[in-house]
Amino acid sequence: RKEVEQDPGPFNVPEGATVAFNCTYSNSASQSFFWYRQDCRKEPKLLMSVYSSGNEDGRFTAQLNRASQYISLLIRDSKLSDSATYLCVVTEYGNKLVFGAGTILRVKS
Amino acid sequence: EPEVTQTPSHQVTQMGQEVILRCVPISNHLYFYWYRQILGQKVEFLVSFYNNEISEKSEIFDDQFSVERPDGSNFTLKIRSTKLEDSAMYFCASSLLAGGLSEQFFGPGTRLTVL
Repeated sequence: RKEVEQDPGPFNVPEGATVAFNCTYSNSASQSFFWYRQDCRKEPKLLMSVYSSGNEDGRFTAQLNRASQYISLLIRDSKLSDSATYLCVVTEYGNKLVFGAGTILRVKS
Repeated sequence: EPEVTQTPSHQVTQMGQEVILRCVPISNHLYFYWYRQILGQKVEFLVSFYNNEISEKSEIFDDQFSVERPDGSNFTLKIRSTKLEDSAMYFCASSLLAGGLSEQFFGPGTRLTVL
């Protein structure tokens, strides 16, 4: 079983659409949760941390359900510049980040 | 804004050769990491480094790999005898604190091609 699973997509959406990504993780002892963004052939960059209470950063909302081991990311009012691969990431023991394979988002005009 | 830098951006080598990938972490950071990403696959953890020693390593990080912080600024990854399957993008990262307590900042990566 994969440690972090994501729907690979691609999600093709028009500008202005709302899109949601889901992620599940296998290790119930996972401690911290993040969404990273990766543009083609570039390094991953932190989009936002994810907290049990849910958190919002502008057009982006992240949710964590520890009981279901489920993480989500909602993007409202999609922009062309949101086109990227979105990586669900968890930390387990120690410092390493465990990455999902990513979900591809393509926003079209 | 401080950033992690990596050199070279692209390294081409022959199978069996040694390569050294270089990274300059953010200056006040204490934790250093190497990850790799094979083309089309997920980012995978290789090794973490703190207080001049390896704190954790993955199964990928076998005897062919080593890391070093030779001075106060550089952090290097050495692959002793490269294999075709070592071809990947190698990302260096650094963080101020451990685990998820602070963000891991990634460098732009070194694309390693083994022929």
